[in-house]
Amino acid sequence: RKEVEQDPGPFNVPEGATVAFNCTYSNSASQSFFWYRQDCRKEPKLLMSVYSSGNEDGRFTAQLNRASQYISLLIRDSKLSDSATYLCVVTPTGKLIFGQGTTLQVKP
Amino acid sequence: EAQVTQNPRYLITVTGKKLTVTCSQNMNHEYMSWYRQDPGLGLRQIYYSMNVEVTDKGDVPEGYKVSRKEKRNFPLILESPSPNQTSLYFCASSLGGQTGTDNEQFFGPGTRLTVL
Repeated sequence: RKEVEQDPGPFNVPEGATVAFNCTYSNSASQSFFWYRQDCRKEPKLLMSVYSSGNEDGRFTAQLNRASQYISLLIRDSKLSDSATYLCVVTPTGKLIFGQGTTLQVKP
Repeated sequence: EAQVTQNPRYLITVTGKKLTVTCSQNMNHEYMSWYRQDPGLGLRQIYYSMNVEVTDKGDVPEGYKVSRKEKRNFPLILESPSPNQTSLYFCASSLGGQTGTDNEQFFGPGTRLTVL
């Protein structure tokens, strides 16, 4: 079993839709969690950290469920510019472990 | 402008010909690392460095070497490249490590390497 698993997608949604991604992790000792965004053939960039109590940044909401060992990312009112690959990152052993990413395509 | 730079951005080479990919950051970050990204496998860490002269293996270090003689530079060396090292490589840096909510990783633009 992979340490971090994501549905690779692609998720094809119309503009204005709400979309959610989940990411499961296997090591319950993981302490820090992040979502990174990666545009095609470019470097990953931090989208948001994930706090235990959940956190929101504009149209983006991140949640952590330690009991079920998953984190989620919710995007409301999708824009064309949200089209990208979203990487889930966890830290089970003091190192960053990246998921393979979930690809989102927002269509007009 | 705060950034991580990598060179070259694209490289096609042949098996066995030694090469170096340079990485430099201007943010005075202590921590630097190298990743490779392959379809279906995500980003995998090759080597990392917590500070000058301090380096350690990541998850896939075989076939690679690194050095950290200066804080700003962290070159990746392939002594004898092989076709299975064809990949997209990213250098990254952060203030103080890998974990911690505030330790944002800043990535370079990537180096696309093809080994024939």
